[in-house]
Amino acid sequence: SQQGEEDPQALSIQEGENATMNCSYKTSINNLQWYRQNSGRGLVHLILIRSNEREKHSGRLRVTLDTSKKSSSLLITASRAADTASYFCAKHGRGGTSYGKLTFGQGTILTVHP
Amino acid sequence: KAGVTQTPRYLIKTRGQQVTLSCSPISGHRSVSWYQQTPGQGLQFLFEYFSETQRNKGNFPGRFSGRQFSNSRSEMNVSTLELGDSALYLCASSLGTGVLVTQYFGPGTRLTVL
Repeated sequence: SQQGEEDPQALSIQEGENATMNCSYKTSINNLQWYRQNSGRGLVHLILIRSNEREKHSGRLRVTLDTSKKSSSLLITASRAADTASYFCAKHGRGGTSYGKLTFGQGTILTVHP
Repeated sequence: KAGVTQTPRYLIKTRGQQVTLSCSPISGHRSVSWYQQTPGQGLQFLFEYFSETQRNKGNFPGRFSGRQFSNSRSEMNVSTLELGDSALYLCASSLGTGVLVTQYFGPGTRLTVL
């Protein structure tokens, strides 16, 4: 079962606009990761934010984390058609041998129209 | 470095058959995790192997099994296939295990059970 909830489930925007996706989770985290998946392919790691960080940037990506609200958001600025993909948040299991298990959210399908 | 490779990329089987999927991790990576992705259940963790030992197992029936070899390559096996096993099976590798470790995903094997 998935522990994360992402919204919106689908997002459709025009090139050049910003896209914001949200992820909420139920249990405490050590970190949160964001992945991108292009149409039925493998997942590409985008960014990892630690539980003691509030914001992190990577190129056109900005991730924020609010541990008090158990939520994170991914902002893609100046979107391009090539950003069209599904975006997932994921958290590690807690403790000992569980670190290798990632629990994913349901994902947000982003469509960027040229 | 070459990325994570999975073979075969596509597979069609019939109910009752068994299937073996293969995953070659990034050179130097010792941890391999497997995930199942379906439209209904999303991304679900199957199991993780580290140094030939299964460290973690998801909530899947015993028909799903795996192993890891001394060169870190991993295989997963599904016996007595059911229609519901149709899915994209993703393998991910990482250097080790821990809360700051990033998992790198392969392109997946698309399994169709008829």
